[in-house]
Amino acid sequence: EAQLVESGGGLVQPGGSLRLSCAASGFSFSALWMSWVRQAPGRGLEWVANIKPDGTEKSYVDSVKGRFTISRDNAKNSLSLQMNSLRVEDTAIYYCAAGGTSEYWGQGTTVTVSS
Amino acid sequence: DVVLTQSPLSLPVTLGQPASISCRSSQSLVRSDGNTFFNWFHQRPGQSPRRLIYKVSNRGSGVPDRFSASGSGTDFTLRISRVEAEDIGTYYCMQYTHWPHTFGQGTTLEIK
Repeated sequence: EAQLVESGGGLVQPGGSLRLSCAASGFSFSALWMSWVRQAPGRGLEWVANIKPDGTEKSYVDSVKGRFTISRDNAKNSLSLQMNSLRVEDTAIYYCAAGGTSEYWGQGTTVTVSS
Repeated sequence: DVVLTQSPLSLPVTLGQPASISCRSSQSLVRSDGNTFFNWFHQRPGQSPRRLIYKVSNRGSGVPDRFSASGSGTDFTLRISRVEAEDIGTYYCMQYTHWPHTFGQGTTLEIK
C-alpha cells in the first residue's frame, strides 16, 4: 500500500527557515513526479512545487520562487522542501503528493509562521 | 496563471439525490499533444485530499462508480449519481496542463 509521511513542520518566526521531509513507501518512488501542495487555515489547496522523477526539472509557484527549494533522494525514497525567508502567509498544512496525477497524498505537516 | 472557477461553491444535497459540480477554466486545458491534464479531488473535513478523477474522466482506484466526470477544453463537470453520507466535504478541480498547476476554489457538499 502506498504511503507518504510528512514531517518537519512547526512554529517559526518570520524570516526563519524550516525543512520539510516526506518519506515514501509502497510504490516506485523513483518513477514518479512528486509535488508539495499547501492549504492555509480555512482555505483551499495551492500547488507549491514539483520535481521530475530524476530530479532534473523543478517548478515553483511564483510566491515561493527564490525562497523554497524542492529536492529528492531516490535512494532513500525521500522528498524534501527547504523553506527559507518564511512569511506569515506561508502558514499552512503542507502535503506531499505522488504521481503526475497526484494519486497519493500524505497526511500533511503544519507550518506556522508567527512572531 | 490559469484560473479555475467552480460552481456552485456550496451544494446542499438530499441523500440519494444526484449532484453536479462545474469547473470552468480561463483558458483551454488541451495540451499540444492532445492530452488534457485535469483532475477532481475530494477532501473530507480534517483529512487529506483524495484523487477521484484524473485526466478529465478516469476514475481513480477504489472510487465508487457513482462518481463520473466529463468535459473538454475549458468546461468540466463532476457528477455524483446518488449522494451518500460519506460524500460530504469539499471538492476541488485542478489543472496540470499549464504551469503553475492550479486548483479551483472548492465546492462544499453538505447533506440537507
